[in-house]
Amino acid sequence: ELKVEQNPLFLSMQEGKNYTIYCNYSTTSDRLYWYRQDPGKSLESLFVLLSNGAVKQEGRLMASLDTKARLSTLHITAAVHDLSATYFCAVDLYNNNDMRFGAGTRLTVKP
Amino acid sequence: NAGVTQTPKFQVLKTGQSMTLQCAQDMNHEYMSWYRQDPGMGLRLIHYSVGAGITDQGEVPNGYNVSRSTTEDFPLRLLSAAPSQTSVYFCASSTRTGVAYGYTFGSGTRLTVV
Repeated sequence: ELKVEQNPLFLSMQEGKNYTIYCNYSTTSDRLYWYRQDPGKSLESLFVLLSNGAVKQEGRLMASLDTKARLSTLHITAAVHDLSATYFCAVDLYNNNDMRFGAGTRLTVKP
Repeated sequence: NAGVTQTPKFQVLKTGQSMTLQCAQDMNHEYMSWYRQDPGMGLRLIHYSVGAGITDQGEVPNGYNVSRSTTEDFPLRLLSAAPSQTSVYFCASSTRTGVAYGYTFGSGTRLTVV
């Protein structure tokens, strides 16, 4: 059975600092997604990683995928308050639209 | 473009009642899915559809039914509501080739079963 594990689940960091969120999954897949969710809101697609070694960057966020290690990372550079949100990774089981989510990482960026 | 529209936004049901959560998209997306979100558990897939007339079960299908008679609509039916179905429900859609761009989510339906 596919398991998707994120860590940490809670992250409090100061503005200007760097940090990495990890997403491990337990079965073969080469479609991994990162989403952002603000409190009480829907999910917003951040990154889609479709192959081993894929790296994508948008602003202060950079995501990467290592399918051999079954690991994706979301790196935050020089955090700002606006990045405060919950971040989810999701894996497409069997590349068949059966998407499984991690529990989410609640990020709080403090001044 | 309205994107993915979910109705209602809030609903309170009594145990044993049935209801239908509506989901409609105007993007001509083939893929549509229903998720539930519970605190500390991320989102869990209930049912999904890869096109009109085709549906399949996800991770937690028990107690829910779906049908896909048109490309645009993908309603989720609760057959006999239970307190364990208290959750926030999200509908999502994507094109067959657009999975490379991620899924578009609706704004959610917050359901409370008392």
